[in-house]
Amino acid sequence: GQNIDQPTEMTATEGAIVQINCTYQTSGFNGLFWYQQHAGEAPTFLSYNVLDGLEEKGRFSSFLSRSKGYSYLLLKELQMKDSASYLCAVLDSNYQLIWGAGTKLIIKP
Amino acid sequence: DVKVTQSSRYLVKRTGEKVFLECVQDMDHENMFWYRQDPGLGLRLIYFSYDVKMKEKGDIPEGYSVSREKKERFSLILESASTNQTSMYLCASSLSGGPQETQYFGPGTRLLVL
Repeated sequence: GQNIDQPTEMTATEGAIVQINCTYQTSGFNGLFWYQQHAGEAPTFLSYNVLDGLEEKGRFSSFLSRSKGYSYLLLKELQMKDSASYLCAVLDSNYQLIWGAGTKLIIKP
Repeated sequence: DVKVTQSSRYLVKRTGEKVFLECVQDMDHENMFWYRQDPGLGLRLIYFSYDVKMKEKGDIPEGYSVSREKKERFSLILESASTNQTSMYLCASSLSGGPQETQYFGPGTRLLVL
């Protein structure tokens, strides 16, 4: 079966750095997405990786290792507004998006 | 900016009622999707559509149907609402191919079935 694993919840301090991991087992791979979802709101697109390596976008970076079935989202200089759930999703061989359950990130002052 | 709108943010219905959830996107996207989101679970795909009048079942289509008569509009229908359909319903749209598969979401409809 297809499976995406991410931690249920993480806590970090304002101004610090946090890494949210995602591992996946899917039938084929056509890219990995990270979305941010604030409580009660819709998910919004953060990043897309299809090749191995690190993609940096401001305070957020996303890393992919296809051979390991692994990705992480790195958030630097954490701000209170970064408190949200972070969803990992993989596009499989049929171009279907397989979603993880999300990681709830709590930022403390 | 892509805009995806949903007809209601909150909805309360009674068991057995027929429920219509509407979704409209303004970016000429080919693909449209309906998901439900429940606590502790990932987004689960109910139905999707790659073109007008075309529909495909997702992972959990039972108890639901859809309609896509126009490219910009994708409707989700609960034929006879049940309490286990209480959930957050999210509509999304995307173009086709690679990074363009990025899905853009509407604000969601929180449905309570009593």
